[in-house]
Amino acid sequence: GAVVSQHPSWVICKSGTSVKIECRSLDFQATTMFWYRQFPKQSLMLMATSNEGSKATYEQGVEKDKFLINHASLTLSTLTVTSAHPEDSSFYICSATRLAGAVIQETQYFGPGTRLLVL
Amino acid sequence: ELKVEQNPLFLSMQEGKNYTIYCNYSTTSDRLYWYRQDPGKSLESLFVLLSNGAVKQEGRLMASLDTKARLSTLHITAAVHDLSATYFCAAAGGTSYGKLTFGQGTILTVHP
Repeated sequence: GAVVSQHPSWVICKSGTSVKIECRSLDFQATTMFWYRQFPKQSLMLMATSNEGSKATYEQGVEKDKFLINHASLTLSTLTVTSAHPEDSSFYICSATRLAGAVIQETQYFGPGTRLLVL
Repeated sequence: ELKVEQNPLFLSMQEGKNYTIYCNYSTTSDRLYWYRQDPGKSLESLFVLLSNGAVKQEGRLMASLDTKARLSTLHITAAVHDLSATYFCAAAGGTSYGKLTFGQGTILTVHP
């Protein structure tokens, strides 16, 4: 089955530093990837849509200058949390839409998540 | 704006019993997803429902979709401890595949 990986799986950093999280589709091309955030005991909230070769689309309330997204290839999207603060501590999960030929498949493939702790 | 609501949010079941989790969504959506999440883990895809009247079954879980009522259900039959997890439904609106709005999640605990 299709696999999406994330790196790192967890990270601890000091307040004020920047953290980069990678999301890779390992055996398929993903024209679109999505970044979600999940706080403890809460649901997933969509942060942004990452499109290969174009600017990301951010959801309302998500600061685009704080959460930088780069989708440089059909298999890689990165999320950089700039000047991280303790309130950014969360579980970040990416998902990818698989393109099979000219058909976009319905199943969303989720990465294993990255747990960020900002001290 | 698409909103998704699940109920119940907490479900404590005895092994062997049946129960249903309900998922209501606010606006037209032609794709409804069910996921399972274990503590500290990411999401595991359970079902994708694409049309009115769709019914899918896998083991002790069965999901259905009624687009007219904007309702999806996840039915658990003869629950076992291994089903203990958090279950999310999510709806996709418009033409943006993968842009999902999630319900609050239902924490299921199955007791012996």
